[in-house]
Amino acid sequence: DSGVTQTPKHLITATGQRVTLRCSPRSGDLSVYWYQQSLDQGLQFLIQYYNGEERAKGNILERFSAQQFPDLHSELNLSSLELGDSALYFCASSAGTAAGGGRTNEKLFFGSGTQLSVL
Amino acid sequence: DAKTTQPTSMDCAEGRAANLPCNHSTISGNEYVYWYRQIHSQGPQYIIHGLKNNETNEMASLIITEDRKSSTLILPHATLRDTAVYYCIVRASYGGATNKLIFGTGTLLAVQP
Repeated sequence: DSGVTQTPKHLITATGQRVTLRCSPRSGDLSVYWYQQSLDQGLQFLIQYYNGEERAKGNILERFSAQQFPDLHSELNLSSLELGDSALYFCASSAGTAAGGGRTNEKLFFGSGTQLSVL
Repeated sequence: DAKTTQPTSMDCAEGRAANLPCNHSTISGNEYVYWYRQIHSQGPQYIIHGLKNNETNEMASLIITEDRKSSTLILPHATLRDTAVYYCIVRASYGGATNKLIFGTGTLLAVQP
């Protein structure tokens, strides 16, 4: 058990809909990272938050957004869903520091993922 | 971050050592080599990391060549539960603004009974 909790484990929805994925980081971790894994794209970095602020952005679509709340949990919002958004979505957390979004040699701890199926 | 090259797949007999190679010829002086693995549809799991010295922990050993252009992850006694995709990732040692990991395609290690 990595200590990172993701809910729900499975989500089935229709095209055009909007969903919210939730992530609770390990106790004490300030950084949260979101990744998307589809069969043809592999593990793709989407976005990182550190203590409520966006730190790094990857290949995240404009239809997707994320935020990190004061209690440090994070939500990934996916809207106007398309068939191609079907994927495993992983959240990871790391400790982070006040000086930046990460410190030397930080390990990332991943949750077990949310499987999104868009029909 | 430097790019890495790994074989697409490898087989290993159960109980034998699994040696997974990784090339990172453009690695720079402040970049570490990290290894993660992903067992089918689970979240990636940290294995080990190193800079230039060989490293060992309870999961594996990491051998880095003297010129640091390649490395080998060694699982000393592979079991069926080690069947997974293994990712070699090179990342700068300083935290800076982010410690995000950029994953490549990895090596699918199949441990055979």
